[in-house]
Amino acid sequence: DSGVTQTPKHLITATGQRVTLRCSPRSGDLSVYWYQQSLDQGLQFLIQYYNGEERAKGNILERFSAQQFPDLHSELNLSSLELGDSALYFCASSVVAGEAGELFFGEGSRLTVL
Amino acid sequence: AQSVTQLGSHVSVSEGALVLLRCNYSSSVPPYLFWYVQYPNQGLQLLLKYTTGATLVKGINGFEAEFKKSETSFHLTKPSAHMSDAAEYFCAVSGRTGTASKLTFGTGTRLQVTL
Repeated sequence: DSGVTQTPKHLITATGQRVTLRCSPRSGDLSVYWYQQSLDQGLQFLIQYYNGEERAKGNILERFSAQQFPDLHSELNLSSLELGDSALYFCASSVVAGEAGELFFGEGSRLTVL
Repeated sequence: AQSVTQLGSHVSVSEGALVLLRCNYSSSVPPYLFWYVQYPNQGLQLLLKYTTGATLVKGINGFEAEFKKSETSFHLTKPSAHMSDAAEYFCAVSGRTGTASKLTFGTGTRLQVTL
């Protein structure tokens, strides 16, 4: 158990819909990362927050947004869903914001768009 | 910018045989290098990391990796494979930019261990 909790574990929805994925980082970790894992794209970095502020942005679509709340949990919002958004979405957390910190990953939220 | 290339999307070894998973990196700044493992239906777990100092890094479950700057490589090895090592392995790199940075992952190598 990494200590990172993601909900829901599985989600099935239709094209055009909107979903919210939730992540609770390990106790004491200030940095939260979101990654998308799909068969064709592999593991893609989406976005990082540190103590409530956006720190780094990757290949995140404009239809996606995220935020980190004062209690440090984070949410990833995916809207106007397309079939290609079907993937495993991972949240990870770390103590520090910098490069050498170990990332602790949750078990992921599997999104299926029909 | 950083990137990693993992050679071989699938590697099969016999139980007890040497495991060698290859990773080459590209980085415009001195890199931090990582190997993560993903077991079925689980998140990624850190095996080992190279930041500074000794170029031979030892990790969990008997794995080790050697940072070779001249070859821009960070190959993962284990002397003797065990059935429980079957998983997907990801090499990752991040840059020492002094600010928050993302890990860039390779495409992964699926390790199969046969009897």
